[in-house]
Formats: sequence, C-alpha cells, structure tokens
Amino acid sequence: GQQLNQSPQSMFIQEGEDVSMNCTSSSIFNTWLWYKQDPGEGPVLLIALYKAGELTSNGRLTAQFGITRKDSFLNISASIPSDVGIYFCAGQLPTYNTDKLIFGTGTRLQVFP
Amino acid sequence: GAVVSQHPSWVICKSGTSVKIECRSLDFQATTMFWYRQFPKQSLMLMATSNEGSKATYEQGVEKDKFLINHASLTLSTLTVTSAHPEDSSFYICSAYLTGNEQFFGPGTRLTVL
Repeated sequence: GQQLNQSPQSMFIQEGEDVSMNCTSSSIFNTWLWYKQDPGEGPVLLIALYKAGELTSNGRLTAQFGITRKDSFLNISASIPSDVGIYFCAGQLPTYNTDKLIFGTGTRLQVFP
Repeated sequence: GAVVSQHPSWVICKSGTSVKIECRSLDFQATTMFWYRQFPKQSLMLMATSNEGSKATYEQGVEKDKFLINHASLTLSTLTVTSAHPEDSSFYICSAYLTGNEQFFGPGTRLTVL
C-alpha cells in the first residue's frame, strides 16, 4: 500500500534537546496529521494541519504543512523522557464521503536522561 | 474526548482457527470505522473501510474472504480473521470516524497465531 516517507527513521537524543522530523509524499494531501504511538497502544493525535503553509503549535510541539502540500515537519522542543515513542505523520485523502489516512513510515524517538 | 475500545487486547490461537476482534466507539456514533494492521517495527497499513449497514471497502491486496468485517451499528464493528495462519500474526488497530472530525484510534489487538 501507499506510504509516506519519514525521516529520520530513528533518533537517539539527550533530554532537553530539540527534535525535528519530516514527512514527504509524491501525492498532494488536503490535511496532514502527526501522531504518537506508545508500545502496544494505538496512535494518539498530536497536531492536525488543514491549510498549506499552516504552522501550528501544541505545547512543545510545532508542525507545519508544506506549501506544496506534499510535505510536513514536526519539531519537539526541550525533549523529556516521556517523549519516547514512535511518531507517525499521516496524510488525509478525501475519498467519496470518507477521509482515509495514509501513514508515514515512522520515526522512533529515544530520549536519554 | 472520544474513546474507542477494542476487545480482546491480545489473543493467541491455533493455526486454522478463526478470531473475532471487536471495535466499539464508547461515547459517540461513528459514521465510519477503519481497520489497520501493523507488523513489528512497521507503520499502520489500512486494511478496510467500514460503514454501518453496508459492505466494507477493502484495500488492494487485502482478502475480503479472509478478513470479514461486520459493521452492525454506529458503535460496533467486528473484524474476523478466518482460518488464521502464523503470517496473520500482527497488531490490529481500529479507528472510529465522525464525518468532519478526526479518526479516534482504539488501543489495538495483538494477534499471535501458533
């Protein structure tokens, strides 16, 4: 199936450092979403982006919807141990009357104290 | 916030048996429910889209006769893995969707087929 390309694949950082990850696609999406998944759990929505160029913050998280509508990035500032997990971007495709999600390949984040 | 539950949270079964997984939206009526599969260290892959009262729409490469989906009400969808084999072992995640809103994900069901 179709997937979005995320980079980096994994990151090992020290507590307090800033983190940046991005997501690219060959297709245009109307909505970009960023999720966090903890081990053995379902993904939880972090940030939703609805307009090209939009920059949105949620606490220490900041995400942007690329102008071309084919990419997005997520920044985490001043990382803490509970930021550990897998981060997925997802593009939303309006399909008929149901919005399907296409997920990225994921970025695995490890934070060391 | 919207809560989606899945049952069971994990299941171990013998090869050749069928397994049913339930997905419930606890505090809202979902227009649509989605079923995803996630293999270890991989992303979520959409298997099928399910609308209440109609047949599910399966993604390319997903066998509809093997993965039976029933969406009996606006709060319940079930996925039955028929004649399960070891290669079906995976983490199955559902989401419930309300038109114009977001998808709310369940906690997942880990299936292990021996």
